[in-house]
Amino acid sequence: DAGVTQSPTHLIKTRGQQVTLRCSPKSGHDTVSWYQQALGQGPQFIFQYYEEEERQRGNFPDRFSGHQFPNYSSELNVNALLLGDSALYLCASSVQGLTNYGYTFGSGTRLTVV
Amino acid sequence: AQSVTQLDSQVPVFEEAPVELRCNYSSSVSVYLFWYVQYPNQGLQLLLKYLSGSTLVKGINGFEAEFNKSQTSFHLRKPSVHISDTAEYFCAVSYAGGTSYGKLTFGQGTILTVHP
Repeated sequence: DAGVTQSPTHLIKTRGQQVTLRCSPKSGHDTVSWYQQALGQGPQFIFQYYEEEERQRGNFPDRFSGHQFPNYSSELNVNALLLGDSALYLCASSVQGLTNYGYTFGSGTRLTVV
Repeated sequence: AQSVTQLDSQVPVFEEAPVELRCNYSSSVSVYLFWYVQYPNQGLQLLLKYLSGSTLVKGINGFEAEFNKSQTSFHLRKPSVHISDTAEYFCAVSYAGGTSYGKLTFGQGTILTVHP
């Protein structure tokens, strides 16, 4: 049973560019959350998607946007990249209504902005 | 605002010794509590969770944690560590209701290093 799959695993972008990260949730999961983990920090909640809609959002600017597809997979888009956006981006999937029973996390995408 | 404080950024310990990783949280409402482990270049793996009921929670790999509501703490313990337990550990809290439902707030992490 495949867990959460994220792609790509590593990415290098130039300041000002745009990036798209992808996530396929664990089989049977319908909710996807995205987290940003800067070096030496704990993950910070970006937003959560369920039924193709953004349900909750953390303290991130509008440059961060997302999408969820009918098959529950999700994308995270970041526009006008800043050096400070360099981080590990984690995707977590869960079942709506059972969210607090724990998420399944992917291995993340390491984004480096130069 | 909700917050989680992990009191130790690094904990060195010798193999087969006991260890405690400390976590405190701020809340005025009911919470769910989690401990996750992160190995280098990997995502987060759930060790254990407290949702309700018994305050002593047992998880995978011999870890356990105790929920103390009066002290707003959820410390992680293992009676005898192994080299393979070397990793970073994160405490996280989720609130039982309101607009933060389903959102995890993490602490800064504790790096556990087990020496032979």
